[in-house]
Amino acid sequence: EPEVTQTPSHQVTQMGQEVILRCVPISNHLYFYWYRQILGQKVEFLVSFYNNEISEKSEIFDDQFSVERPDGSNFTLKIRSTKLEDSAMYFCASTRGPGNTEAFFGQGTRLTVV
Amino acid sequence: KQEVTQIPAALSVPEGENLVLNCSFTDSAIYNLQWFRQDPGKGLTSLLLIQSSQREQTSGRLNASLDKSSGRSTLYIAASQPGDSATYLCAVRDDNYGQNFVFGPGTRLSVLP
Repeated sequence: EPEVTQTPSHQVTQMGQEVILRCVPISNHLYFYWYRQILGQKVEFLVSFYNNEISEKSEIFDDQFSVERPDGSNFTLKIRSTKLEDSAMYFCASTRGPGNTEAFFGQGTRLTVV
Repeated sequence: KQEVTQIPAALSVPEGENLVLNCSFTDSAIYNLQWFRQDPGKGLTSLLLIQSSQREQTSGRLNASLDKSSGRSTLYIAASQPGDSATYLCAVRDDNYGQNFVFGPGTRLSVLP
């Protein structure tokens, strides 16, 4: 069964460092998303991406964040200068179509900023 | 702004019981509602997707219903097993929120052998 894969599964970084979280969405999907879940809290939307551009972003997704689909298969989330409060589980998701299609999520990357 | 709530927050039942998890949302202008399972420290596994035009969906021992007008969904789990122990999340895709998911806080289920 096709799945969304994320790497790494766990990353520890020093405050102020840049991190790149990687995702490989399902191959025939066209819409891509990043969500995050701070420990003990709800899953929150960060950004959606379609046709090589950002479709929507939340207020969390400030100038420190960026996304890219560099090579037609990977979908990355970059955090330029990490803060302690960026520590969370980050989930990538993909859908084949827009709002009425099933979303598939990856297993997540646990980011720990120290 | 769409808000999603789930009750109960936690539930502990003996193996074999049938159980119901509840999800409520404040704005009925949704595309669909999806139920997910999350094991501790793990990702989100899709269980059932209900389109806004549908009333229910079934997969194995799981049945999800949707009453869009009242802003409610229920997830029914029949003959629960210890392997069902996990957190169950509901999420709605909201036309007013760019078709992105708004998640509930989850119900943490423990099924005791």
